[in-house]
Amino acid sequence: AQSVTQPDIHITVSEGASLELRCNYSYGATPYLFWYVQSPGQGLQLLLKYFSGDTLVQGIKGFEAEFKRSQSSFNLRKPSVHWSDAAEYFCAVGEEGSYIPTFGRGTSLIVHP
Amino acid sequence: DGGITQSPKYLFRKEGQNVTLSCEQNLNHDAMYWYRQDPGQGLRLIYYSQIVNDFQKGDIAEGYSVSREKKESFPLTVTSAQKNPTAFYLCASSIVTSSYEQYFGPGTRLTVT
Repeated sequence: AQSVTQPDIHITVSEGASLELRCNYSYGATPYLFWYVQSPGQGLQLLLKYFSGDTLVQGIKGFEAEFKRSQSSFNLRKPSVHWSDAAEYFCAVGEEGSYIPTFGRGTSLIVHP
Repeated sequence: DGGITQSPKYLFRKEGQNVTLSCEQNLNHDAMYWYRQDPGQGLRLIYYSQIVNDFQKGDIAEGYSVSREKKESFPLTVTSAQKNPTAFYLCASSIVTSSYEQYFGPGTRLTVT
């Protein structure tokens, strides 16, 4: 079964600084990979996804992620963080044939002015 | 607009009472899911349903029950057998045959005292 690790529980950045949130997965074949964002008290919104093809994926709100098979990673990046990006971020992995993804425990992003 | 609605947003119950959380979607998605979210634990799958009149237990189904009488609706009942029911509950849906990405409702916060 697949598993997902988000090693950082909290990340604090200054507004305007760059951001990288880490995600590592465990799965034998090529996984389906997702990043979701959750504002406080709200549901999750899909930021971006990777199924195949170009390993650098562009998403909404200026986010991107890169799939690195050799490192089993799918890190989320943003070149310049805005205060409105403060939220909880979840990485998820799915496998072909199973439509139920496994979610990481989330990383809470704090943005300082 | 298509989407998922959950009602109510906040729910309060006394211990020993059953309570039903509503989830409706107009996305014409086949699959629907219920997750429980506790601080620092990510999302844990309670039940999921791929088609009408069929559903399967997730990782933490004990103390919960569901029904899927209509494609659009997937209500979750938190029974008195659930030992620690206070949590944030998220409903999601997806297209089973492609993409695997999930669409989430805004959530219901249940408090049992």
